[in-house]
Amino acid sequence: EAGVTQFPSHSVIEKGQTVTLRCDPISGHDNLYWYRRVMGKEIKFLLHFVKESKQDESGMPNNRFLAERTGGTYSTLKVQPAELEDSGVYFCASSQEMQGRTDTQYFGPGTRLTVL
Amino acid sequence: RKEVEQDPGPFNVPEGATVAFNCTYSNSASQSFFWYRQDCRKEPKLLMSVYSSGNEDGRFTAQLNRASQYISLLIRDSKLSDSATYLCVVNTNSGYSTLTFGKGTMLLVSP
Repeated sequence: EAGVTQFPSHSVIEKGQTVTLRCDPISGHDNLYWYRRVMGKEIKFLLHFVKESKQDESGMPNNRFLAERTGGTYSTLKVQPAELEDSGVYFCASSQEMQGRTDTQYFGPGTRLTVL
Repeated sequence: RKEVEQDPGPFNVPEGATVAFNCTYSNSASQSFFWYRQDCRKEPKLLMSVYSSGNEDGRFTAQLNRASQYISLLIRDSKLSDSATYLCVVNTNSGYSTLTFGKGTMLLVSP
């Protein structure tokens, strides 16, 4: 079974440009999460989809970040316009829908974003 | 105070050694606890969940002390392949399943 995949693996852009990251969760996983790790810091939660609905977007840093999951399959995370502090590794994770308990989240390999 | 705190290390140990990592969490409402392993420039991978009664998986033993809000991971008979960063992860589960990560503890096992 294929794991979580992310595209691109690396992206180098200039400040002010737009970048779109893509995540394909494990097939059948209704839960999809975005996390980010900036250099020297811990991995931090950005948002959580259940199917196509945003369940929790409390971790989104500001309105330059827009996440979508149309159709409840893959998700995109767009940063527009990118700023220097957006540099980091963006991880996507997915898990099955479970009643009453947290199921294992499987992480993708991440997209390393560098904003110059 | 950070939500999940870990000693960043690195812990340098010889093969065959026993090593222990500790972690504290600040939110007493936290309900699920995990250790993830992350290799350099790779994604985090679940090593094991941590239960109140303590649990063991081969050479790895995890313990949880809810009263002290403290989690531990013990690795026995260290292997070279155990070299990685170990992430203490907590889920507060206030209806959601978001994970809160520590910065990680780096382990280096040498021959």
